[in-house]
Amino acid sequence: GAVVSQHPSWVICKSGTSVKIECRSLDFQATTMFWYRQFPKQSLMLMATSNEGSKATYEQGVEKDKFLINHASLTLSTLTVTSAHPEDSSFYICSASRREGLKNEQFFGPGTRLTVL
Amino acid sequence: QKEVEQDPGPLSVPEGAIVSLNCTYSNSAFQYFMWYRQYSRKGPELLMYTYSSGNKEDGRFTAQVDKSSKYISLFIRDSQPSDSATYLCVYSYTGNQFYFGTGTSLTVIP
Repeated sequence: GAVVSQHPSWVICKSGTSVKIECRSLDFQATTMFWYRQFPKQSLMLMATSNEGSKATYEQGVEKDKFLINHASLTLSTLTVTSAHPEDSSFYICSASRREGLKNEQFFGPGTRLTVL
Repeated sequence: QKEVEQDPGPLSVPEGAIVSLNCTYSNSAFQYFMWYRQYSRKGPELLMYTYSSGNKEDGRFTAQVDKSSKYISLFIRDSQPSDSATYLCVYSYTGNQFYFGTGTSLTVIP
């Protein structure tokens, strides 16, 4: 299967600072990338859908000024959590979709654990 | 009505048992069906992908789709402790929108 990486895998930051998380598709080009957050023992929650070269589409209730998404190339999307607060502590997972003919698969990164003190 | 319904479990079985994980969906336009496995604090891993009714087998895993009843199942034969994880069913029909079940937590007891 295709490989999606995320960096960093774990980050601890102070309240009020900003944190950037990178998501890369290593061996394929992804026209669409997705950002999720997941609280312990809960399901994935889609935050936004990101298409290369255009503005991200945010899900209802997700603040676009707080969670800045940049999809600058077909292999890289970044999520910046601005002015992070303890309630932003969560597991953030990205995914990238790969289309081959009729087939459209979604491959996930390993996730980034964010802890805001 | 949710797009996808999945029994969250938890499900606990002895090693070697056959596990059946199930989802139902509401939109008859769904075309792509996927099962993911997620270990704790890891990203989901694609297990099976299918876009037609019937069975698809891969090793100990069999994905079954019944479009007439909008039902999808994942069977795990000879379950192992390493199969202990959360299993997610996922549907798509537009190609860029994916609908997730809530996940079923599975524990295989040695």
